[in-house]
Amino acid sequence: DTGVSQNPRHKITKRGQNVTFRCDPISEHNRLYWYRQTLGQGPEFLTYFQNEAQLEKSRLLSDRFSAERPKGSFSTLEIQRTEQGDSAMYLCASSLIGYEQYFGPGTRLTVT
Amino acid sequence: AQKVTQAQTEISVVEKEDVTLDCVYETRDTTYYLFWYKQPPSGELVFLIRRNSFDEQNEISGRYSWNFQKSTSSFNFTITASQVVDSAVYFCALSEAVANDMRFGAGTRLTVKP
Repeated sequence: DTGVSQNPRHKITKRGQNVTFRCDPISEHNRLYWYRQTLGQGPEFLTYFQNEAQLEKSRLLSDRFSAERPKGSFSTLEIQRTEQGDSAMYLCASSLIGYEQYFGPGTRLTVT
Repeated sequence: AQKVTQAQTEISVVEKEDVTLDCVYETRDTTYYLFWYKQPPSGELVFLIRRNSFDEQNEISGRYSWNFQKSTSSFNFTITASQVVDSAVYFCALSEAVANDMRFGAGTRLTVKP
């Protein structure tokens, strides 16, 4: 399967801990996106990369959040000092420039 | 600012009925892109269609059809002869630039009963 993959699929952590998620995009896609989805809502844009450059960040991406795509391939999203409000599904998508985005299965984060 | 409204929170139909999911959008740009995605119970968003603002032709793909009307800022999605496997949450989304961030609606949960 050559779709977008995300790891882990589920993460349970205690408030105050740091967590890191990984996204592997479709190999030929040069754009990679992160979204957050809470129950009953549509995905909300967080940030996106074109190759290794982070080109846009949403106001939703507080200082506790950081994303990287060091070699223009996979990306990581780290949340420091997690809060209960961070509990959500974190979605990754990839695309070619000018084309539709394809989503991964998501990482469900639960902060206790 | 871009905004997408899906006024129908939940729809329930019986198999073989036709169903239309509404999507109304707001944007100040003249160039924009509209999308529909399906999110089945498994959770993974599945791309269905992309439309750019210069192409108002309606599209049909099997049992799916889309009606894009710029005059009413709507991009509605119709499923003909619905099936149980169509049960999912359907999202309409808008992008004001070429495949940059998308603004999603809140989604419509469709339940198709046998």
